[in-house]
Parts: sequence; C-alpha cells; structure tokens
Amino acid sequence: EAQVTQNPRYLITVTGKKLTVTCSQNMNHEYMSWYRQDPGLGLRQIYYSMNVEVTDKGDVPEGYKVSRKEKRNFPLILESPSPNQTSLYFCASSLRGLYGYTFGSGTRLTVV
Amino acid sequence: GQQVMQIPQYQHVQEGEDFTTYCNSSTTLSNIQWYKQRPGGHPVFLIQLVKSGEVKKQKRLTFQFGEAKKNSSLHITATQTTDVGTYFCAGPPDSNSGYALNFGKGTSLLVTP
Repeated sequence: EAQVTQNPRYLITVTGKKLTVTCSQNMNHEYMSWYRQDPGLGLRQIYYSMNVEVTDKGDVPEGYKVSRKEKRNFPLILESPSPNQTSLYFCASSLRGLYGYTFGSGTRLTVV
Repeated sequence: GQQVMQIPQYQHVQEGEDFTTYCNSSTTLSNIQWYKQRPGGHPVFLIQLVKSGEVKKQKRLTFQFGEAKKNSSLHITATQTTDVGTYFCAGPPDSNSGYALNFGKGTSLLVTP
C-alpha cells in the first residue's frame, strides 16, 4: 500500500532531550516536507526536500533539523526541544513538487 | 512572503445546504491544491487545478481556479454529514526560486443532520 509512515504517533518528552521523528515513504517520491499544525495557525511548513541531499527551510524552521540521505526517508530532528514545539507534526511526500502531497498520520508531540 | 488566506474560518450548515469556501493568495500561484482533514485525521489530497479559469467537479464538489491564478473556491452542493472536516487550500508560488507549498488556515465545516 502506498503510504507515508511516521513514528512515533505520540511522544511526550522533557525540555532539552534530543528526539527524532522518523518519516518514510514507499512511493519513490522526490519531494518530502514537514509541517506542524497548531490550533488557529493551520499547517505551517518547517522544512522541505526536493531530492536526496537537497533541503530548504520553510516558514518555521527554528529549532528543527532535517536530513535526506535516502530518497525514502526524511527524519525531523529536535536537538533541544522546548515547550513551544508542542504540536501535531505531519510528514508529506509528493512525486514532484507541484503535485499533490500524501500525508502521514501525524505525530503528536508534547514537550514538558 | 506568499500568504494564502481562506474564508470563512468556520461554517455550520444543516445537512442538505450548500457550502462554499474561498481561498486567496497574495501572489500568483502555479497551481492550487485542495485537501480535506477529518477530525483527528490527516490532510488528504482532493484535487489540483493548474490552468487559469479551470473548473473541476468531483461528485458534489466543484473547484474553481481564478482567471488571475490568485484565488480559488470549493463549493459543496447538498452537504452530507460525511463532509464534516477542515478544508485547506495550498499553492506553490509561480516562480523558479524554489518550492514551498503554503497552506491556508482552512475552513472547518460542521454539518448537522
């Protein structure tokens, strides 16, 4: 089944403890992207990647890192999480950048 | 930077009534995409419009892309309870400077039987 898989689905962590949210797609898509969703703010893009080793900042990249070493994987790294990064995170992929995106099921992160 | 605005923010209708949400961009878009997110779910791609003035239909849903490629609308005829959710528009700017899909804040639709 064609899908974008995120892990974990839920995560509670403490301030400053490094964490990684994994994202993998099995559709051979070139473009991948991370979004965070907060009430009243909609979906805001954190980082996106146009292909292996090619990434760029979205609207809210502060406090996040990404890497794209393989086409299928696009992990989101929080080196030192803070409470304002408590949010619902979505990974998404697209065959080409101007095509529709397939979203993962989301990761609900709470930083205390 | 590019901004994508959606109105209304919320809409509450009785089942059977029509519903329309509007999307406006501050810059010209190369295409417009529409997504639906059910409560507790993830955004699901509905459709993409590319050409100026384009109109597409999916059963009771009608999508339009403005002539200037800066606005779009989604109209649902005779809403059903299964239409409940948040509808987002999203579009990349019409430029070669890179790619970033910006989403509007969405319109939340509530349908009561």
